[in-house]
Amino acid sequence: GEDVEQSLFLSVREGDSSVINCTYTDSSSTYLYWYKQEPGAGLQLLTYIFSNMDMKQDQRLTVLLNKKDKHLSLRIADTQTGDSAIYFCADLSGGYNKLIFGAGTRLAVHP
Amino acid sequence: GAVVSQHPSWVICKSGTSVKIECRSLDFQATTMFWYRQFPKQSLMLMATSNEGSKATYEQGVEKDKFLINHASLTLSTLTVTSAHPEDSSFYICSASQGNTEAFFGQGTRLTVV
Repeated sequence: GEDVEQSLFLSVREGDSSVINCTYTDSSSTYLYWYKQEPGAGLQLLTYIFSNMDMKQDQRLTVLLNKKDKHLSLRIADTQTGDSAIYFCADLSGGYNKLIFGAGTRLAVHP
Repeated sequence: GAVVSQHPSWVICKSGTSVKIECRSLDFQATTMFWYRQFPKQSLMLMATSNEGSKATYEQGVEKDKFLINHASLTLSTLTVTSAHPEDSSFYICSASQGNTEAFFGQGTRLTVV
């Protein structure tokens, strides 16, 4: 079945940029999402990109999609301590209309 | 964005009892609702997908008789954990979608079975 993979941990210095990477296997993907989860909370949709786009920018967030390589990335500019959380990449599988999540990347921001 | 309300936020129940979790889409009609379970330090696991008015589709390994899902209207889906046991303790999250667009998530329900 479809799979989504992410690195599990990323540590950055406050003020630097963070780049979280994700790969997926679904060939019929329609939308790809980035969610943020703070401790004990539900998921917060950060941004999403339609599969025929290659880039989307939203304030400090930049999403890059390489559909040929099935690679998605999320760049957070000027990373702040409030950005510390787990970030999930998810693929909306066109065939089954269900979201398939990666394992999540834990972002730690240090002074 | 659209709002999905999940209730309760947390619940403690005795082993052997049943617990119902509600998921409501407040300002849109959710044709599809998803129920996820998250184990500590792990990713979300899709339990089932439900379309309004029809039976839920369960993922492999999820016991449909234990995790009862009802999606009786376009704004409400419920997950009932029947005869709960301590191993059912987890974080349950619902999400709702109008179709082939983004899915909006509830805030999650932390279930503790004692």
